[in-house]
Amino acid sequence: NAGVTQTPKFQVLKTGQSMTLQCAQDMNHEYMSWYRQDPGMGLRLIHYSVGAGITDQGEVPNGYNVSRSTTEDFPLRLLSAAPSQTSVYFCASSYGALSPLHFGNGTRLTVT
Amino acid sequence: GDSVTQMEGPVTLSEEAFLTINCTYTATGYPSLFWYVQYPGEGLQLLLKATKADDKGSNKGFEATYRKETTSFHLEKGSVQVSDSAVYFCALTLGVGNNDMRFGAGTRLTVKP
Repeated sequence: NAGVTQTPKFQVLKTGQSMTLQCAQDMNHEYMSWYRQDPGMGLRLIHYSVGAGITDQGEVPNGYNVSRSTTEDFPLRLLSAAPSQTSVYFCASSYGALSPLHFGNGTRLTVT
Repeated sequence: GDSVTQMEGPVTLSEEAFLTINCTYTATGYPSLFWYVQYPGEGLQLLLKATKADDKGSNKGFEATYRKETTSFHLEKGSVQVSDSAVYFCALTLGVGNNDMRFGAGTRLTVKP
């Protein structure tokens, strides 16, 4: 039972580069989301999805895009990386919008 | 806006010591409250929750009571173990959905043998 799988675990980008953080879950969860974790600030919601084909913005969406073409996958795209996007990124999913969240192990991103 | 405030860490305890991690909240309505735990190298996982005032959540020896009068949800454990070393996050949601969840900054606990 893999749960929520995030790749890569670590990534270093130069300012202006683009990349996609991958997230996949095998629990048939409808709800998926992306958070960033910064020191002293807890987790902040970037984007979320309540089902395939449906996405919406969270608290800090600027500079990020998402899509949800399948139930299993919810990739996060950085369009033009900036040093302010240096952070640890977590993908999470839940059976329904009010069910407990299941988190991946995170991606540590550094933008130089 | 709605938020939670946790005691700053890090917290270092000896094995079998008593643990308290303070959490207070600010909310316009009646939130559900959660404690999540993040073990080294892993993602967060739900530890316990309480959905209404005076509810007590418990799991793995940890407890927290939803105190509406003091807007608090402090995490306690009577005797910590080395395996409890982790980062603990307090969180709330007003029930709209997980997209509404607000997390505290986290408190790092280290338990020494």
